[in-house]
Amino acid sequence: EIVMTQSPPSLSVSPGERATLSCRASQSVSSNLAWYQQKPGQAPRLLIYGASTRATGIPDRFSGSGSGTEFTLTISSLQSEDFAVYYCQQCNNWPLTFGGGTKVEIK
Amino acid sequence: QVQLVQSGAEVKKPGASVKVSCEASGYTFTGYYIHWVRQAPGQGLEWMGWSNPNSGDTNYAQKFQGRVTMTRDMSIITAYMDLTRLTSDDTAVYYCARGFGGGAARPFDIWGQGTMVTVSS
Repeated sequence: EIVMTQSPPSLSVSPGERATLSCRASQSVSSNLAWYQQKPGQAPRLLIYGASTRATGIPDRFSGSGSGTEFTLTISSLQSEDFAVYYCQQCNNWPLTFGGGTKVEIK
Repeated sequence: QVQLVQSGAEVKKPGASVKVSCEASGYTFTGYYIHWVRQAPGQGLEWMGWSNPNSGDTNYAQKFQGRVTMTRDMSIITAYMDLTRLTSDDTAVYYCARGFGGGAARPFDIWGQGTMVTVSS
């Protein structure tokens, strides 16, 4: 099973600032990496797939990069609605696995 | 619009079974895999398995093999997840989710609203 490790576990950021979230895979997942956003009481929402492609309707302040084992989600200028938990997921090997999440909080 | 609507919250006793439904609308049901993911209170996401609504094929995470069954009823465009021999560790929100773009190993672009399953004596 591929273990996905996200860092940091939590991140305090001021509105308008940049946030950089990391995700590491225990073995290569090529570019088969997705990012999700989850707000309290809601289902996750797909943000990024294929490591760097934004899903439909996702603002361009969200960007993804990386391949192999190291991935990054960047939120260029945090808006109030972006404070949430973010999960990465590998879709390269069975079982599909998620990282433990990074909580982005208001500073 | 494209959506997945799940059945309501359940409270079960240890040793019982639960069956969660997931009704699809707004897209061709047979064209996309349905995955099941659960989330224990305050915890992360855990993939349980998928079902192919077209063929009926399934693939379960090893952790749930022997306890989970994923089925579908094409006449009412609904997928089901049945989990048996429940313990308190199965207390979680259970989500169904659509695999994006066809194929099994794909990210999930549409999610149900979640079904809270509480296991308590």
